[in-house]
Amino acid sequence: QQQVKQSPQSLIVQKGGISIINCAYENTAFDYFPWYQQFPGKGPALLIAIRPDVSEKKEGRFTISFNKSAKQFSLHIMDSQPGDSATYFCAASIGAGNTPLVFGKGTRLSVIA
Amino acid sequence: NAGVTQTPKFQVLKTGQSMTLQCAQDMNHEYMSWYRQDPGMGLRLIHYSVGAGITDQGEVPNGYNVSRSTTEDFPLRLLSAAPSQTSVYFCASSYWGYGSGANVLTFGAGSRLTVL
Repeated sequence: QQQVKQSPQSLIVQKGGISIINCAYENTAFDYFPWYQQFPGKGPALLIAIRPDVSEKKEGRFTISFNKSAKQFSLHIMDSQPGDSATYFCAASIGAGNTPLVFGKGTRLSVIA
Repeated sequence: NAGVTQTPKFQVLKTGQSMTLQCAQDMNHEYMSWYRQDPGMGLRLIHYSVGAGITDQGEVPNGYNVSRSTTEDFPLRLLSAAPSQTSVYFCASSYWGYGSGANVLTFGAGSRLTVL
């Protein structure tokens, strides 16, 4: 079964708008939740990550919101730019560095001018 | 500082042929892994290793073989290629265990494999 469910599969946002990608998980033992960004023809790269002891983490225009009781976390991209157009993957693991990352199916984001 | 290097970048095989996808990292990472990426399926873990001489299966291991004789190298072998193995393959590495940098995966650029 899919351990991390990601939605939507694709997203089109106007330049300057807010992009929101959601993920849900079942395994309550997960305690490390990163987001990876992948540009066409490249490998994914870590964008931002959160642990469940905080409800929100912000790095520039990128924010992770985490809801432990709902077992959900989301990525918000403020002031979305065409350069943000990429595929985004959420992921989860038990203890960062103790179990392999499990990835969601990805969201293809297109930011149009 | 090369990071994670994958070869070849592109490969076309016929059904039943064998081949090895190479992966090398120069960051002294304990953890190395192979993922396959298919449209609508995300990144699925094939095999992983937490150190030389230690390997384990991921979500989709069937049809693939791995070994880890050195810290730097983690080759993925397809013994008898099938069309279902047509995919983009990514190798990734990281530090392992608790602490800063653990499970921060560095991915290679990918190897696109087509099996006819």
